[in-house]
Amino acid sequence: EVQLVESGGGLVQPGGSLRLSCAASGFTFSNYGMSWVRQAPGKGLEWVSTISNSDDNTYYADSVKGRFTISRDNSKNMLHLQMNSLRAGDTAVYYCAKVFGTVDPFEYWGQGTLVTVSS
Amino acid sequence: QSALTQPASVSGSPGQSITISCTGTSSDVGGYNYVSWYQQHPGNAPKLMINNVSNRPSGVSNRFSGSKSGNTASLTISGLQAEDEADYYCSSYASGSTVVFGGGTKLTVL
Repeated sequence: EVQLVESGGGLVQPGGSLRLSCAASGFTFSNYGMSWVRQAPGKGLEWVSTISNSDDNTYYADSVKGRFTISRDNSKNMLHLQMNSLRAGDTAVYYCAKVFGTVDPFEYWGQGTLVTVSS
Repeated sequence: QSALTQPASVSGSPGQSITISCTGTSSDVGGYNYVSWYQQHPGNAPKLMINNVSNRPSGVSNRFSGSKSGNTASLTISGLQAEDEADYYCSSYASGSTVVFGGGTKLTVL
């Protein structure tokens, strides 16, 4: 059974940093691309970033490019999202998702971790 | 990376069929056969219902079907059931190796 468990969310001040993690199990992690998708409170879904299975290709939404960095550790079945220069608009539930193709679709999702950017 | 356009809400009675549209541009929906649909119940993570325009992942009811014409994709749910009441989101692969979502559609089963 595929399981994706996010951690690392919390309250951070504007301009601050946070590192999210996602522990994956139930599939061969190194064979699949992984993504982060976020959802602001009461709002729709927004794709954030995708990383290829071998870590050599990364993709970002314009809204986070230059501030967020996606990475993975295939030896530990872990996905990470380093978030810097956080803004109020980054407040959202961040979901980790297993990718079926190159960049999408998102075949399995974790339950999400809430990031709140506020002073 | 502009969001795809979906109706804010649709409704139908049990047993009926409904269709949710998803309109983009030639740089996303119209340019690739990589449209997906997700179902999200309140408080839960989204669930993939359709990928590659019309493919149903294993375990998804055959009451759900997808199609595309030009820059507009559609999700049809036939034989509407109470459990289908949820938010539905379309997404598409877009030029520049990005992904764009629709704003979401709230389905109410009357």
